[in-house]
Amino acid sequence: TQLLEQSPQFLSIQEGENLTVYCNSSSVFSSLQWYRQEPGEGPVLLVTVVTGGEVKKLKRLTFQFGDARKDSSLHITAAQPGDTGLYLCAGGVRLRDMRFGAGTRLTVKP
Amino acid sequence: GAGVSQSPSNKVTEKGKDVELRCDPISGHTALYWYRQSLGQGLEFLIYFQGNSAPDKSGLPSDRFSAERTGGSVSTLTIQRTQQEDSAVYLCASSLMSRPNEKLFFGSGTQLSVL
Repeated sequence: TQLLEQSPQFLSIQEGENLTVYCNSSSVFSSLQWYRQEPGEGPVLLVTVVTGGEVKKLKRLTFQFGDARKDSSLHITAAQPGDTGLYLCAGGVRLRDMRFGAGTRLTVKP
Repeated sequence: GAGVSQSPSNKVTEKGKDVELRCDPISGHTALYWYRQSLGQGLEFLIYFQGNSAPDKSGLPSDRFSAERTGGSVSTLTIQRTQQEDSAVYLCASSLMSRPNEKLFFGSGTQLSVL
């Protein structure tokens, strides 16, 4: 079983601050996905990264896949209250093999 | 439907009772997945269906858990003789295929509480 560790587990910041959350593993992943989950809802896919060193941007969110494809980071610039949620990373060869980390619970205070 | 639909949204049951959780995937999606999300834990894979192929049951935690998918569409997850440790959110997801760049679409989940 490929273990994904996410850090920090909890993060509480003020609106306008920048933050980075991490997803690490000792295993190499063919692809890695980031999801955001809001209370009472299922996770929603934000991005998929497949190439080592790949950087993808989604508005104020920047995702990076490590060169060795064992780790990834999510950086949020000028966080807003709407960014509040549980951020999950998931890695695997195929969707059926995707395994999820425990997530980082982000709270952005106005 | 427009999205993955799960029912009920909440289920409270007594220890030892059986429960059935339902998932209606997005029309046309051949792949269907069940996950369990416990407080403070990541999503735990339970079972995977792909078309008419035999399901991948490798994630089911015990023989009290079973699932079926009728007609390649609606799926039911059944938990027999529920235990308190079964309390969790049960999430269903579907996708067109199971390739790496496909998207998983999740339902809102069923919150199961076993008293």
